[in-house]
Formats: sequence, structure tokens, C-alpha cells
Amino acid sequence: QAQLVQSGAEVKKPGASVKVSCKAFGYPSATYYMHWVRQAPGQGLEWLGRVDTSDGRAHYAQKFRDRVTVTRDTSTSTVYMELSSLGSEDTAVYYCAREPPETMYFDLWGQGTLVTVSS
Amino acid sequence: EIVLTQSPGTLSLSPGERATLSCRASRSINSRSLTWFQQKPGQAPRLLIYAASNRATGIPDSFTGSGSGTDFTLSISRLEPEDSAVYYCQQYGGSPPEYTFGQGTRLEIK
Repeated sequence: QAQLVQSGAEVKKPGASVKVSCKAFGYPSATYYMHWVRQAPGQGLEWLGRVDTSDGRAHYAQKFRDRVTVTRDTSTSTVYMELSSLGSEDTAVYYCAREPPETMYFDLWGQGTLVTVSS
Repeated sequence: EIVLTQSPGTLSLSPGERATLSCRASRSINSRSLTWFQQKPGQAPRLLIYAASNRATGIPDSFTGSGSGTDFTLSISRLEPEDSAVYYCQQYGGSPPEYTFGQGTRLEIK
């Protein structure tokens, strides 16, 4: 059964960076786009970026372009999202999500990782 | 950047009734790029409808997506208490790739 399993909750201080992982199980992960979406407490969904797992090329939302890096490790079927220069406004649940080739939709989501930014 | 505006913000209905949720794009979009998700408290979003009108695997036929251009609708017939959730529309715009979500509609079944 296909699933995405994310790393555990993080607490970071303002100005620090955080790196969240997302490991794929149960399907050949090397042909999908993998995305990161976040949700601040009580708020809606916000797209951060994606990586093409076949070649590692990444694209980012304009808002996060200077602070986010999305990478993949094909040997472990894992994708990573690193967000730098954290502020309190980055406190959110961060989700990874899978996009099948040429579909433009997310069909599988991770369980979410809570990142709390607090001094 | 395309903005998606969902209405109403909150919808309160009774079991057995029909819900109609709207998603309006700031300019015309490719229907293939319009998706609907359901999110319950404490859970990740769940894919409901893709390409505006196609139900995802395992989604009951009480959920129907329609629309084109700038106006899209998610209809839920025969509401059940477990349909209580927040519903989001989302679209993809290419070159460069950008994925945007509507602000969500909260559906309450009382």
C-alpha cells in the first residue's frame, strides 16, 4: 500500500532552519513530482514547492523562493524540505504530497509534520 | 498568479440535503488543472475530484464536480454527518509551475 511517512515534530528558534523528510513506501517513487504544502494553525493550504524525483529539478512558490530548498534522495525514496530564516509565521503543519506524472493533482499525502517556531 | 475564491465561507446544512460549493478563478483556467480536496480536523487533505469532474478512487458518487473557465462547483448530494469538513479547490498554472489553493469552505452537517 502506497504511503508517505514524514519525520517528527520540530521546535525551532527564530532565525534557524528546519529540514523535514518524507519517505515513500509501496510504489516506485522515481517517476513522480513530490510537493510540500503547509498549513498554519486554523488557516488554509499553501504550496511551497516541488521536486521532480526523476531528475531532481525543483520549482518553488515565488513567496518562498529565497528560503526553501526541496531535494530528493532516490536511494532511500526520500524527499526533503528545508526552510531557512524561520519566523513565528512559519509555525505550521508541513505536508508532503505526491503528483502522478502529467496529472496536476496530489493523490497521496503524508501525515504532516508540525514545525513550531518559538523563542 | 491566479487567485481562487471559494464561497460560501461556511455552509450549515442538515443530513440528506444537498451542498453546493463554489470556486471562482481570477481568470480562465484549464479544467484539467482544477482539483477538489476534503480535509477533516487533524487529518491531511484527501483527493476528491480531479480535472474538475473526475472522482478519485473510492470517492462515492454523491460527490460531483463540474464547471469550466472561471467557475467551478463541487456538489455533495445526500449529506451525511461524516461529510463535515473543510473543502478546498486547487489549480495548477505552468511556466513557471505554481499551485494555488482556494481559502476553503467549511461544511457543517447538523
